[in-house]
Amino acid sequence: DAKTTQPTSMDCAEGRAANLPCNHSTISGNEYVYWYRQIHSQGPQYIIHGLKNNETNEMASLIITEDRKSSTLILPHATLRDTAVYYCIVRVRNNNDMRFGAGTRLTVKP
Amino acid sequence: EAQVTQNPRYLITVTGKKLTVTCSQNMNHEYMSWYRQDPGLGLRQIYYSMNVEVTDKGDVPEGYKVSRKEKRNFPLILESPSPNQTSLYFCASSLGGRELFFGEGSRLTVL
Repeated sequence: DAKTTQPTSMDCAEGRAANLPCNHSTISGNEYVYWYRQIHSQGPQYIIHGLKNNETNEMASLIITEDRKSSTLILPHATLRDTAVYYCIVRVRNNNDMRFGAGTRLTVKP
Repeated sequence: EAQVTQNPRYLITVTGKKLTVTCSQNMNHEYMSWYRQDPGLGLRQIYYSMNVEVTDKGDVPEGYKVSRKEKRNFPLILESPSPNQTSLYFCASSLGGRELFFGEGSRLTVL
């Protein structure tokens, strides 16, 4: 599976959009981009995934560049409860092997 | 409610005393996996199971055993725990390679 690069940490003001970048320059054509988050020491929680089109669900939006070498997770109106570590993972869709990196620690500030 | 349940959530034990951390899911998922999480090292996969009676080593299997006799259960066994197995453990499951569902974690301390 392709490796990903994420910033170690980011801050965001409450109520503003949080934009979390992820680089995956070696991504293969059949690899999806997945995002999870982990609040404090709870189990990681699935957020969203996509292949090449932008995706949106009730939690977030995922923007994937046309060359698929990077993506951005967008939390449109961040709240204090969105403070967490966010993981970007790329893998083949039906491959159960999910490798977590260090992620980005997002702190939402009042 | 769809969930992955781990027990115990917290455990303090002593070196060499065998212990089992149970994991159960109620979503009829074929795939189950165990991770450990340590400061600075992120989540690392210990063992995984693609289905009943099928298990494979992950990245850090040493000192651990697993079994998958039933689809819903995937216990993690520490035959002779050592202090370096002090960690936060997570069980996860998924259906057909889709998103993983995680348990709430089991914090283990080995003295």
